[in-house]
Amino acid sequence: QQQVKQSPQSLIVQKGGISIINCAYENTAFDYFPWYQQFPGKGPALLIAIRPDVSEKKEGRFTISFNKSAKQFSLHIMDSQPGDSATYFCAARLTGNQFYFGTGTSLTVIP
Amino acid sequence: DSGVTQTPKHLITATGQRVTLRCSPRSGDLSVYWYQQSLDQGLQFLIQYYNGEERAKGNILERFSAQQFPDLHSELNLSSLELGDSALYFCASSVDGVRSPLHFGNGTRLTVT
Repeated sequence: QQQVKQSPQSLIVQKGGISIINCAYENTAFDYFPWYQQFPGKGPALLIAIRPDVSEKKEGRFTISFNKSAKQFSLHIMDSQPGDSATYFCAARLTGNQFYFGTGTSLTVIP
Repeated sequence: DSGVTQTPKHLITATGQRVTLRCSPRSGDLSVYWYQQSLDQGLQFLIQYYNGEERAKGNILERFSAQQFPDLHSELNLSSLELGDSALYFCASSVDGVRSPLHFGNGTRLTVT
């Protein structure tokens, strides 16, 4: 059973556009929600993260929006660039540092 | 570079064989995690160690085992390999095993033929 559901599976965006990736969860015990970025041949790298007591977190062009009541969170990439083309994973953490990952979104930014 | 080192990068072996994957965590990190990444399953948690002790188990098959040594490096042993074990295996480390973010290595790609 997938603890964290991620959509879409793939996304194609024009350069300069906004990329939006969504995740949903059921377990209200999750206490930390990171996003990871993975380039081909590399491991996932921590991109940005949020705690459930905050509704939004912004770091540069990357923003997490968090809706606790709906049990959903999303990653917004503003002014998307070809260098952002990668696979993005959302995750959620339980006590004891147990992370559950979404199935990933393959983002392609077209020049 | 995350500071987590995994060897080998690629491994090709036959069904029924046994392999060992190695991971060196970031300097100062006490906890090591193993994940399996396949195309249709995403990142699946296998097992976590903290300072040499097993901390948590995920979807790890009985044919798989792991350990963390006194120098904190970890090994994942996969035996009686099947075609379905072909995947990317990632090691991650964190400062503690409680509330710190994970830092991933670049993975070992295992191909079972």
